[in-house]
Amino acid sequence: EVQLVESGGGLVKPGGSLRLSCAASGFTFSTYSMNWVRQAPGKGLEWVSSISSNSNYIYYADSVKGRFTVSRDNAKNSLYLQMNSLRAEDTAVYYCARDLSTRGMTYDFDYWGQGTLVFVSS
Amino acid sequence: DIQMTQSPSSLSASVGDRVTITCRASQSINYYLNWYQQKPGKAPKLLIYAASSLQSGVPSRFSGSGSGTDFTLTISSLQPEDFATYYCQQSYSNPSITFGQGTRLEI
Repeated sequence: EVQLVESGGGLVKPGGSLRLSCAASGFTFSTYSMNWVRQAPGKGLEWVSSISSNSNYIYYADSVKGRFTVSRDNAKNSLYLQMNSLRAEDTAVYYCARDLSTRGMTYDFDYWGQGTLVFVSS
Repeated sequence: DIQMTQSPSSLSASVGDRVTITCRASQSINYYLNWYQQKPGKAPKLLIYAASSLQSGVPSRFSGSGSGTDFTLTISSLQPEDFATYYCQQSYSNPSITFGQGTRLEI
């Protein structure tokens, strides 16, 4: 069974940092591109970042570019999101999501974690 | 960025009804359109990918159609578990993918 479990969320002050993790199991993690998608409270979905299976291709939404860094450790079946210079508008539930296909980066998200809440407030 | 506009924003329906939700892209996205269902406090669930392909395990009462700029999600006979919020998402303009604002389907 495919499972994605996020952790690392919490309360952080503006300007602070946080590192999210996503532990994957039930599939060959190293063959799939992975993604982060966030959802502000009561709002819609916003794509944040994507990373290819071998980390050769990495992309960010303009809203987080230069502040967030995505990475992965295929040996540990884990995905990460390092978030720096956090702002109030980064407050959201952060989901990790798997690409539907192993053929490159499709941006079709077939499995999602349960999400972890990041709350940026003084 | 490609803008995705869903209509209606909310919809009231009854069990057994046929329901259609529309998603319009600000420019042609070919068939690169996905539909997700999200229930309160839960992660989104992929229903339809590539405009009309039913994701494994999703009931056949869900169907998708369209290409270019106009797309629809149809639920042929609403079941109690279908009341949720539905989002469309374009994967054409990758990596700058975008979601619609959501359609809340209520009893």
